Amino acid sequence: ETGVTQTPRHLVMGMTNKKSLKCEQHLGHNAMYWYKQSAKKPLELMFVYNFKEQTENNSVPSRFSPECPNSSHLFLHLHTLQPEDSALYLCASSQGQGMNTEAFFGQGTRLTVV
Amino acid sequence: AQSVTQPDIHITVSEGASLELRCNYSYGATPYLFWYVQSPGQGLQLLLKYFSGDTLVQGIKGFEAEFKRSQSSFNLRKPSVHWSDAAEYFCAVGPASFISSGSARQLTFGSGTQLTVLP
Repeated sequence: ETGVTQTPRHLVMGMTNKKSLKCEQHLGHNAMYWYKQSAKKPLELMFVYNFKEQTENNSVPSRFSPECPNSSHLFLHLHTLQPEDSALYLCASSQGQGMNTEAFFGQGTRLTVV
Repeated sequence: AQSVTQPDIHITVSEGASLELRCNYSYGATPYLFWYVQSPGQGLQLLLKYFSGDTLVQGIKGFEAEFKRSQSSFNLRKPSVHWSDAAEYFCAVGPASFISSGSARQLTFGSGTQLTVLP
């Protein structure tokens, strides 16, 4: 248990559906991240939030829409996804300041787009 | 731009044998280096990290890694592998300094090495 909780653990959705992934951390961290993990590919950083402000958007398609209402919660809203978006979506958090920091990961949401 | 290369996609070792997983990085300044492990269906768990100081770092589960600046490497080792070590291992590099105060640390991951342990 890393202190980062993601729900749901598994999600199957059609291409016309709208769904949301949720991430929650109570570690007191001020930075939160969304990563995409596809088979045979390195983890891809999607979004970064620091103190609730989005500081990074790595050319992610607009069908992925992040939301960070506070430093403890991060959402990823999904709509009109494509089958190639099927992947494991990992949330992480870290303490943005200080030298000895590390990212703590949730267990991920396994997303299947049909 | 920073990058991480894990040249071995899949490694198979016998239980009790020693293990070394390779990681090479490219980064323009002093990097922060990490090894994570991912069991099937799970998220990533930090094994160890290197920020500065002693270049041989100890981690959890009996793992260690050595930072070699001259070789731009951060290889992961374990003297005796257990069947429960079967998993995927990721090396990651992050910036050693923040662009501005309060910037979030970002990691670049390698593509991973899948470890199989034979009984």
